[in-house]
Amino acid sequence: SQQGEEDPQALSIQEGENATMNCSYKTSINNLQWYRQNSGRGLVHLILIRSNEREKHSGRLRVTLDTSKKSSSLLITASRAADTASYFCASRRGNNDMRFGAGTRLTVKP
Amino acid sequence: DAGVIQSPRHEVTEMGQEVTLRCKPISGHDYLFWYRQTMMRGLELLIYFNNNVPIDDSGMPEDRFSAKMPNASFSTLKIQPSEPRDSAVYFCASSFGPYNEQFFGPGTRLTVL
Repeated sequence: SQQGEEDPQALSIQEGENATMNCSYKTSINNLQWYRQNSGRGLVHLILIRSNEREKHSGRLRVTLDTSKKSSSLLITASRAADTASYFCASRRGNNDMRFGAGTRLTVKP
Repeated sequence: DAGVIQSPRHEVTEMGQEVTLRCKPISGHDYLFWYRQTMMRGLELLIYFNNNVPIDDSGMPEDRFSAKMPNASFSTLKIQPSEPRDSAVYFCASSFGPYNEQFFGPGTRLTVL
């Protein structure tokens, strides 16, 4: 079964607002990664958080991880129209395979 | 580095035909992954290789699908015979080490008529 279930499935916000996306997973993980996919393109890695980390920042991105709840969140601050894309979480298990969720489709209106 | 290279970018074929998708991973990466993406099923891992050896092919949907990695710089995913339900975007990705980020190619959009 698919690991990594994102919610909401779709999110529409105004430019300048913050966007928060959540991800839940089912089994123990080594790390959790967030990827972005622009329409018609391949996925691009955004940030990786290890199972022993609770929070990580990268530019306007902030990721949290709660292993007790098997959940993670991705916050994009001060969103821009260029942030419009689909965002996926992917949980990496011990045998190295990575399972992706269905993604959150983010639309940032200018 | 040019990144992960996939060819062709688009493929349209008729049911029953053989389809071969190609991938060149980033030089030095020791893991290679094949994914399939559809609206209905999302992004699915089909198979992955470590140092050219298939490690897990449990995601390969049927015997019609096969993948090879004859050397560190080339992999193929073959579908024979193809069916309309195989229509999807197929991505190849590579990584260095077992737990690091994966770099995705641009994908091959396959349409089986």
